Amino acid sequence: AQKITQTQPGMFVQEKEAVTLDCTYDTSDQSYGLFWYKQPSSGEMIFLIYQGSYDEQNATEGRYSLNFQKARKSANLVISASQLGDSAMYFCAMREGNAGGTSYGKLTFGQGTILTVHP
Amino acid sequence: EPEVTQTPSHQVTQMGQEVILRCVPISNHLYFYWYRQILGQKVEFLVSFYNNEISEKSEIFDDQFSVERPDGSNFTLKIRSTKLEDSAMYFCASSSRTSIFAKNIQYFGAGTRLSVL
Repeated sequence: AQKITQTQPGMFVQEKEAVTLDCTYDTSDQSYGLFWYKQPSSGEMIFLIYQGSYDEQNATEGRYSLNFQKARKSANLVISASQLGDSAMYFCAMREGNAGGTSYGKLTFGQGTILTVHP
Repeated sequence: EPEVTQTPSHQVTQMGQEVILRCVPISNHLYFYWYRQILGQKVEFLVSFYNNEISEKSEIFDDQFSVERPDGSNFTLKIRSTKLEDSAMYFCASSSRTSIFAKNIQYFGAGTRLSVL
């Protein structure tokens, strides 16, 4: 079974509108972290936002927010007021823990969603 | 702002040749990683490295791969005898720690595109 599932291969949004990119995850761990990274056409991986499994509040970083629904195992990224520069591939990733709350830090990525922002 | 630096940005090699991909992690980070991304596919974990030894590796990271921290700043990935299927973007990442209870971010370099001909 896939640990991270991103069901939207591509999404389109009008500039200045909000868009939600879906991510569901599968883990039996109680302690884990969820990440979103942006990969523009130039190829680099840019960290956007993090949500810990024990965090009670949804994470926010500027125009990015994470809609974390633990019971449904979803961690959707919401981008508000889309800009042309938001056009990129977006990856959801998970870091699982092991006993004692330690982790070697390995990230498991989803397939990604290509976001295109139209003017 | 500190960043992870990778060199070269693009490496072209012949099948069977050895390649070394280089990375300079963020200076106060202790945990280092290599990932790869075959064109159009998702990013895959290769190996994690801490305290001068491998802490975890994936099935992809077979005997053809090795990692090393030859000095206090560089972190390298060596592929001994490249295959066509090794063609991919290779990303180095680093983080300050790995506790699952802390917000530990892995910062990625810009990647090295490896083309095996």
